[in-house]
Formats: sequence, structure tokens, C-alpha cells
Amino acid sequence: GENVEQHPSTLSVQEGDSAVIKCTYSDSASNYFPWYKQELGKRPQLIIDIRSNVGEKKDQRIAVTLNKTAKHFSLHITETQPEDSAVYFCAAQMDSSYKLIFGSGTRLLVRP
Amino acid sequence: NAGVTQTPKFRVLKTGQSMTLLCAQDMNHEYMYWYRQDPGMGLRLIHYSVGEGTTAKGEVPDGYNVSRLKKQNFLLGLESAAPSQTSVYFCASSYQGFLNQPQHFGDGTRLSIL
Repeated sequence: GENVEQHPSTLSVQEGDSAVIKCTYSDSASNYFPWYKQELGKRPQLIIDIRSNVGEKKDQRIAVTLNKTAKHFSLHITETQPEDSAVYFCAAQMDSSYKLIFGSGTRLLVRP
Repeated sequence: NAGVTQTPKFRVLKTGQSMTLLCAQDMNHEYMYWYRQDPGMGLRLIHYSVGEGTTAKGEVPDGYNVSRLKKQNFLLGLESAAPSQTSVYFCASSYQGFLNQPQHFGDGTRLSIL
């Protein structure tokens, strides 16, 4: 079945710097890749997603890139702010499956 | 529009007790899911449902049962709670579309088994 690996597990950056989180997936049939942000004690919330027919997608300070050949996708956060501090999860899903497979999460700390 | 609502928010059980977690969504979503979240392990799928009256097993179904008698509700049951089931449980729902759709999560239920 599908497996998603996420790196790094923790990431500390200075406010204003960029942060990059990377995920790899195992099943080439996966074609939907959402990213979720989870603040402490809160629900996971979708921040951006990308489908396999697109190589990059941006929404203000966040962007996601997808490399289908290498089977990896990345989350990029620019001009980080303290409120970006949270745990970020990547996930992958195949069209033929109802299930999202999640990575293990990255704890991002933005230092003021 | 409340989205996905989970009850209760917190619960403490003794080993061997049973309980039911309730998930309700008001978005008319076809698909509903139950996950558990443990430290350092991300979200793992317990059971899911693709429509009223249907259920299916996820990655970690043992020790849990589910029912989807109404489209808007998805119940997760623990028949005989064990300490290994101490976790935070999240319910999610998604729309059935031509393409995969994002899942929307509830606020979670924090469950401790003593």
C-alpha cells in the first residue's frame, strides 16, 4: 500500500526566514497531495493542496511543489511568522482510494 | 454551519469499559472517517464510510467498531477499552466529487484509558 515519509521531524527557523518540508510517497498512482497545519490542541486544517497534473501551486506565503518522477512533494513557507509555528502534515491519496495516507508530521518552530 | 462536530471532547475510561464517540457533519458529505493521533505517529485511519449504511476498515481497525445509520452521523465504538487505545480521536468528512476532495476535521476527542 501507499507509504508517505516526511522530513524533517522538527524544524526551527528565525522569523522572516523560509521553511521547507519534504515528503516522499511510494505509490505512483497517488494523484492528490494535501497539506494540513495543526496548532497545539487544535484540529488539522487544510492549508494547501496540489493534484498530479500541476507542478506547483502558490497561496500567498505558502507554496507546494510536486515532482512526479521522483515521487516527492514539498511545502515552502516564505517570510515565516511566529503564528506559523505548528505541526504540518503532508498526505497522499490515489483516485481509486477513499483514503488519505499521512506523513508523520513536522513540528515547525519560528523564533521571534 | 458548524462543520464537523465531535462529542465528547474529553473522556476518561477504566480498562474494560465501553463507550461511543459521536461525529456529526452538516455539510452533506458522503465520506466520513475516524482517525487516531498518537505522539510522533501522525494520523492513522481506523475506519471509514463512503455512504449511509456502509463502513470499511482502515489501517488500525482492531478493537473498534463503527456505524453510519444516518448520512450526517458516524459513530465509533470501543467495546472493551484498553490502555493502548489512549489517544486523540479525530473525525473527518469529505465531499464526493469527480476528483479527490479535501477532508474537514472535527476538534477531536481526547480519550484516556486507565
